Order: sequence, then structure tokens, then C-alpha cells
Amino acid sequence: GENVEQHPSTLSVQEGDSAVIKCTYSDSASNYFPWYKQELGKGPQLIIDIRSNVGEKKDQRIAVTLNKTAKHFSLHITETQPEDSAVYFCAANKLRRGNEKLTFGTGTRLTIIP
Amino acid sequence: DAGVIQSPRHEVTEMGQEVTLRCKPISGHDYLFWYRQTMMRGLELLIYFNNNVPIDDSGMPEDRFSAKMPNASFSTLKIQPSEPRDSAVYFCASSLSGVIQPQHFGDGTRLSIL
Repeated sequence: GENVEQHPSTLSVQEGDSAVIKCTYSDSASNYFPWYKQELGKGPQLIIDIRSNVGEKKDQRIAVTLNKTAKHFSLHITETQPEDSAVYFCAANKLRRGNEKLTFGTGTRLTIIP
Repeated sequence: DAGVIQSPRHEVTEMGQEVTLRCKPISGHDYLFWYRQTMMRGLELLIYFNNNVPIDDSGMPEDRFSAKMPNASFSTLKIQPSEPRDSAVYFCASSLSGVIQPQHFGDGTRLSIL
């Protein structure tokens, strides 16, 4: 099955700086890569996702890049703000009917230092 | 619209007792997922349903765990008998059908088995 590794496990950045979180996956057939943000006491919330036919996707201050050859994808947060502090999870899946399972990374605790 | 609703939010009970966790998915969603989150193992998929039918229960740890979905608006995850190692946060998520549809998570049930 799919295996997703996520680095780093913790990350602290100064407010206003950029943060980058990286994930690698094992199954070259995986074609869907979402990122979730989990705040304290809450469930994970989808913040951005990318499909394997796209190399990069942006949504305001967040972006995700995908390198299918190397089998890794990254989350980039620019101009970080205190409300970006949370745990971030990447996930991967070979989406097809009958296989809606997501495999999650182990999470990155991001702390924004005011 | 209401999101995924889980109850109770917190549960503390003694080992050997039966525990029942409840989930109400988003109206109209036909996929329902149960996850378990621990520090050691991260976010693990336990079981998921499509149109109230269990599709994949390979993540259910033991026979002590069972899940049901009697109708489109309600699901339960039951542990009987409970053990201290079952202590975790249990999340329910739902999604629409379709090849790429985001999973929407509830805020979880924090379960402590003494």
C-alpha cells in the first residue's frame, strides 16, 4: 500500500517569513495529494489539494508543488501569520472508484513566532 | 450548513466498559470514514462506508471494534470491551461521491480508557 513520509515534524518560523513542509510518497500511481490543517481541539480541515496532472497550485498565501518523478510534494506558506500556527498533514491516494482511502503523513507542528 | 457532528466530544471510562461513539455526516454525503489519531501512529483509517455499506474495514484493529451505519445520517463506532490502549481521538469524516471529493472532518471524540 501507499506510504507517506512528512518532514519536518516541527517547524518554527518568524511571522512574515515563509514555511515549507515536504512529503514523499511511495506509490507512483498515486494521483491526488491534499493538505489538511488541524487546529487544537478541531478536526483536520482541507486547505489545498493537487492532482497528478498539475505541477503547482496556488491559493492566496499557500501553494503546493508536485514532483511526480521524485515522488514528492510540498506545501509553501508565504507571509506567515500567527493564525497559521497549527498541525499540517499531507496525504496521498490513487483515487478511483472503490478506493477512496487517503494515506496521511505524520504531521508537522508549525509555530509562527510573533 | 452544519458540518460533521460527533458525540460525545469527550469520554472517560474504565477498561472493560463498552464505548459507543456517534457521527452524523453532512447531509447528502454518501461516504463516511472513521479515523483514529494517536501521537504514536498518527491518523489511521479504521473503516469507511459508501451508501451505508462498509467498503473497507481493514484498519479496524481488533474484533473488539465494530462500526455500523444504519442510515445515511448516522453511524456508530463501538468498542467492547475497551482497553487503555484504545485511548485516542476518534474522527469521523464524510464526503460526496466522485473521484476527487474532499473529506470533511468532525471535531472528534477524545476517548480516555482508565
